[in-house]
Amino acid sequence: EAGVVQSPRYKIIEKKQPVAFWCNPISGHNTLYWYLQNLGQGPELLIRYENEEAVDDSQLPKDRFSAERLKGVDSTLKIQPAELGDSAVYLCASSSSGLAGGEQFFGPGTRLTVL
Amino acid sequence: AQRVTQPEKLLSVFKGAPVELKCNYSYSGSPELFWYVQYSRQRLQLLLRHISRESIKGFTADLNKGETSFHLKKPFAQEEDSAMYYCALYGAGNMLTFGGGTRLMVKP
Repeated sequence: EAGVVQSPRYKIIEKKQPVAFWCNPISGHNTLYWYLQNLGQGPELLIRYENEEAVDDSQLPKDRFSAERLKGVDSTLKIQPAELGDSAVYLCASSSSGLAGGEQFFGPGTRLTVL
Repeated sequence: AQRVTQPEKLLSVFKGAPVELKCNYSYSGSPELFWYVQYSRQRLQLLLRHISRESIKGFTADLNKGETSFHLKKPFAQEEDSAMYYCALYGAGNMLTFGGGTRLMVKP
């Protein structure tokens, strides 16, 4: 079992450029989360999917961030255009309805650097 | 609103010493609390949850609703316990809220 897979692991871009992150959750996990983790802080939820539906995107800055989970499996998070302040680690996590709600499985993260 | 506070950014102890990583929370309902751990170059993973009342790798945590705390404890620290520890609360809106994390360093 590979666990939650994320790519790329690292990304360096110039400001105003677009960037996309990909996540493949654990097989059978219907809930998928995207978190933002700034340096020295804990993860903060950006968006939560139940299957294909985004059920909580209140923390997603919708002017530049977008996400999709078209077939209820893997997901893409996009930033367009990126700003210097977007430099952070973007974490993907998944969970199953059979687990306690707070039990989530995390991917390795994508470390984004915006120059 | 729900909030988790970990007052110590860094905790440094010697091997064999007791460890207590502090966690305080703010939540109006009945919380579910968790500790997550991230070892060097590894991904964030669940360590333990309060509803299980279990001991994992020698760590325990007791939910104290009166003090709104969920401190993580271990009687004798080991070098392999060195890691980042995050306290998290699962509450309103099926949302998991993390504290800022505490780096535990266990010195030989």
